[in-house]
Amino acid sequence: AQTVTQSQPEMSVQEAETVTLSCTYDTSESDYYLFWYKQPPSRQMILVIRQEAYKQQNATENRFSVNFQKAAKSFSLKISDSQLGDAAMYFCATNPISNFGNEKLTFGTGTRLTIIP
Amino acid sequence: NAGVTQTPKFQVLKTGQSMTLQCAQDMNHNSMYWYRQDPGMGLRLIYYSASEGTTDKGEVPNGYNVSRLNKREFSLRLESAAPSQTSVYFCASSEYRARGNQPQHFGDGTRLSIL
Repeated sequence: AQTVTQSQPEMSVQEAETVTLSCTYDTSESDYYLFWYKQPPSRQMILVIRQEAYKQQNATENRFSVNFQKAAKSFSLKISDSQLGDAAMYFCATNPISNFGNEKLTFGTGTRLTIIP
Repeated sequence: NAGVTQTPKFQVLKTGQSMTLQCAQDMNHNSMYWYRQDPGMGLRLIYYSASEGTTDKGEVPNGYNVSRLNKREFSLRLESAAPSQTSVYFCASSEYRARGNQPQHFGDGTRLSIL
């Protein structure tokens, strides 16, 4: 079983500044993925970034990067040069890597990010 | 590219009524999933289908049934709706690769209210 904890229900940041969203998780799996999904007011779930647990190098996608601390089971998201379009709910999630194509995502409760112009 | 399409987008039901939520994907993905999202909570898995012809329970399956009609379509049925099933429902799909599934692609969700 997996659990994902996001301890910051809400965060805010000035436009163009940097913000870090926290996530901790627990899993008994030896091999798994970690994700950050973004949900804007339109309700769409949009993949922001993905990290494979066996890779030590932190994933990066343009202005988005993660700080993956496997021993601490921590997976934070850093957003650089924040833009108004970054305003959304952000969900941290994990799923084990299986060989059967039946991987089930477990989500945290989300962090609402507000961008201050 | 349509991706994952859910119908309807909104629905209001009375307690005890039945309803089927439809989901179709055009990406030729093998795996499909149904989640619900309640206020203050993340998405929770209801049912999933790893491939055509197979379905399995997720975290919160009670009160729901599913059908994997073919590779494209995966429907969710509420036989006797209850107010506790008021939620936003998301369908997702993903493709299996050698090291597990690719990230899930989500539909736009169905907002369902049970009175």
